[in-house]
Amino acid sequence: LAKTTQPISMDSYEGQEVNITCSHNNIATNDYITWYQQFPSQGPRFIIQGYKTKVTNEVASLFIPADRKSSTLSLPRVSLSDTAVYYCLVGVPGKGGYNKLIFGAGTRLAVHP
Amino acid sequence: DAGVTQSPTHLIKTRGQHVTLRCSPISGHKSVSWYQQVLGQGPQFIFQYYEKEERGRGNFPDRFSARQFPNYSSELNVNALLLGDSALYLCASSPGTSGDSYEQYFGPGTRLTVT
Repeated sequence: LAKTTQPISMDSYEGQEVNITCSHNNIATNDYITWYQQFPSQGPRFIIQGYKTKVTNEVASLFIPADRKSSTLSLPRVSLSDTAVYYCLVGVPGKGGYNKLIFGAGTRLAVHP
Repeated sequence: DAGVTQSPTHLIKTRGQHVTLRCSPISGHKSVSWYQQVLGQGPQFIFQYYEKEERGRGNFPDRFSARQFPNYSSELNVNALLLGDSALYLCASSPGTSGDSYEQYFGPGTRLTVT
């Protein structure tokens, strides 16, 4: 199974753009890259997923280079409420299409006023 | 619409006891997954169920078992509790249709403390 490596923690300030990079050197051909956000005492929340190139939604952008061995989550203009743990995951296609999530340790993002 | 619900929210058990945790998925979702999250770590996959059948199992001992009911709700059972089983147990649901979506909807979790 592909293993992900991401910074343990990051600090930023309100209004800045935050980029969190994750490495997944042994990602398999069919694996997807997925990012989740988790606040204390809550379950994780899906942010974005992608296979290659760039994906953007109303919350974030995900940049994936051609070799797919890394990915970068970009959060534009963060606010204090973006303080959370961010998980980079490799989504593993499961049996019959029932896909499995493999979480790593995550990146603790602290946004300061 | 209601999200994923889990019960109870908190639970205290002693070593050797048995525990049952419950999960109700989002209406219309047919797949339920269970995760264990120890403090300071990411969630670890335990089980995935779809249409009452086990579709995936993580690296957990046989003391852990689960089932899914016809209404797609699910139970996680843990026997012979150990101190190391103290954790937040998360349930997540997804539509369960085949495809390339890795979006799962998590409940608030059940905080289990084993003393």
